[in-house]
Amino acid sequence: GAGVSQTPSNKVTEKGKYVELRCDPISGHTALYWYRQSLGQGPEFLIYFQGTGAADDSGLPNDRFFAVRPEGSVSTLKIQRTERGDSAVYLCASSLGGRDEQFFGPGTRLTVL
Amino acid sequence: GEDVEQSLFLSVREGDSSVINCTYTDSSSTYLYWYKQEPGAGLQLLTYIFSNMDMKQDQRLTVLLNKKDKHLSLRIADTQTGDSAIYFCAERLSNYQLIWGAGTKLIIKP
Repeated sequence: GAGVSQTPSNKVTEKGKYVELRCDPISGHTALYWYRQSLGQGPEFLIYFQGTGAADDSGLPNDRFFAVRPEGSVSTLKIQRTERGDSAVYLCASSLGGRDEQFFGPGTRLTVL
Repeated sequence: GEDVEQSLFLSVREGDSSVINCTYTDSSSTYLYWYKQEPGAGLQLLTYIFSNMDMKQDQRLTVLLNKKDKHLSLRIADTQTGDSAIYFCAERLSNYQLIWGAGTKLIIKP
């Protein structure tokens, strides 16, 4: 079956602009996670959804970052007033439940000029 | 806080065994994972071990866990060029959170 997909695969934007990154999880997976991976680092947790609600958003770095999952499936990570330090690969993962294996998408590479 | 440490690089000859090491700090880890990341591809779960086990073997992969020393290793037997990738160690705490190492880049020499 289809895996986790993320769009766009690459996004280049200018400092101060707003961006949205989309994640389509595996069908039937109730848990969805966003991570950020900087060059030479492991993934850094941002937010975890169980169904439609954000069960844990403690990893979001500041209030410029926001994520939604209105129907419990697709999720959108939104970044306002982007800064050069936001440049990274943003990874999405989904799992059947919160304690199950996480399946990762290919990521969106965000570059803020 | 929780921390996972790995060497950044490992270079081995094709056909030799590769051993990638990882140390972690949180004794409440429930599962420990090895993920593989190839250029342009998503993170792929290779194998995992439950914290009450000390060894797991899966074809060419052997995972060893020393819970006392909080040390995890991944051995890849008969390393091939297709094994070139970055290997991440991750620990899962008592909930859903994964704490990741920075990854070890495995370089295969012909």
